[in-house]
Amino acid sequence: DVKVTQSSRYLVKRTGEKVFLECVQDMDHENMFWYRQDPGLGLRLIYFSYDVKMKEKGDIPEGYSVSREKKERFSLILESASTNQTSMYLCASSSNIPGPEAFFGQGTRLTVV
Amino acid sequence: DQQVKQNSPSLSVQEGRISILNCDYTNSMFDYFLWYKKYPAEGPTFLISISSIKDKNEDGRFTVFLNKSAKHLSLHIVPSQPGDSAVYFCAARLMNRDDKIIFGKGTRLHILP
Repeated sequence: DVKVTQSSRYLVKRTGEKVFLECVQDMDHENMFWYRQDPGLGLRLIYFSYDVKMKEKGDIPEGYSVSREKKERFSLILESASTNQTSMYLCASSSNIPGPEAFFGQGTRLTVV
Repeated sequence: DQQVKQNSPSLSVQEGRISILNCDYTNSMFDYFLWYKKYPAEGPTFLISISSIKDKNEDGRFTVFLNKSAKHLSLHIVPSQPGDSAVYFCAARLMNRDDKIIFGKGTRLHILP
């Protein structure tokens, strides 16, 4: 079974702090994604990566950056956390073979106070 | 500009009956469509997918139908069970090297006893 693990289930951070969300997958998947889920807005793509050291902006990249130094690890960085970044953050990974389905981690509920 | 639209925020269905969740899309470059199920405080789990070259895919109680001319797909769950109560997300993959997966806003399904 594919396993995608996010480092924290719940986080509380202060405004202005630098926040790191870590994600690790164990299936050698090429693609990794960071989404955030907000009520009424569904899952919105922040950033994704299709290879080590490669990254692409999603629909809402502002205020975020990412790092992928190793194939299995994809980090989301909030350079200076703000209250509007309070959300559920979901990491996912996928491979092109046999199909495009992405597998998700359990999510990190981030609260910025 | 929403490329994947789920116009029904919620749906209630009697246990044992058929649940039909709908999804519309605007981009002809999608090559795969996927359905995910999400319980509160958990990551989404993959349910079923369909390639754009097919019009039907079935897996147990779940069937996905694709109507390319109408840019519409639907997920049928028969028979509906209490454990099916969750949020269902429709998603689509863009046919390019980046394998970007775009999600709809979700439909909350309530299975009534």
